[in-house]
Amino acid sequence: DGGITQSPKYLFRKEGQNVTLSCEQNLNHDAMYWYRQDPGQGLRLIYYSQIVNDFQKGDIAEGYSVSREKKESFPLTVTSAQKNPTAFYLCASSTGRESNGYTFGSGTRLTVV
Amino acid sequence: GQNIDQPTEMTATEGAIVQINCTYQTSGFNGLFWYQQHAGEAPTFLSYNVLDGLEEKGRFSSFLSRSKGYSYLLLKELQMKDSASYLCAVLDSNYQLIWGAGTKLIIKP
Repeated sequence: DGGITQSPKYLFRKEGQNVTLSCEQNLNHDAMYWYRQDPGQGLRLIYYSQIVNDFQKGDIAEGYSVSREKKESFPLTVTSAQKNPTAFYLCASSTGRESNGYTFGSGTRLTVV
Repeated sequence: GQNIDQPTEMTATEGAIVQINCTYQTSGFNGLFWYQQHAGEAPTFLSYNVLDGLEEKGRFSSFLSRSKGYSYLLLKELQMKDSASYLCAVLDSNYQLIWGAGTKLIIKP
């Protein structure tokens, strides 16, 4: 079955450490996205990529970095520069046709300890 | 600025009907989405409206009025499994999705 896989589901990080969240899709989607979800707020876009080897900053890119070396993979690194990294992180992909919507991964809950 | 408003929480009874409203003010409009999200899980796609009117999909229907910047999601014959958050999102002129904070729907027996 096609889908998006995020790993790990839960992640704990010490302050000052970088951590990388994995996102892999086998849907053959061109576009991939990273969102952050905090309680009581809408999803906020961190980074997105519409094609391999190209990505764009979203609304809250500071303290994060991404790469898109393969169509299937879009890992997100949360750096020590991110002031408040504890959140639920969602990866999504799309065909680019609006009516199909986005397909989301199951999310990674990151907690800084 | 861009803004999407939804009620924070709603309560309904199993077997009943509930309407979740969404109003939006965005720079341009290229469609409106509704997603369902159970606690701790990924959002799942419910509907997409780009023209005015009602779209029906089984127990769920979604309505759009572009002139009023307004949409609603109608859930009929409510089941306990419908307890979830319902997210409204608008695709703006740059084809970026702007998300509402979501409406938590609580279903009581």
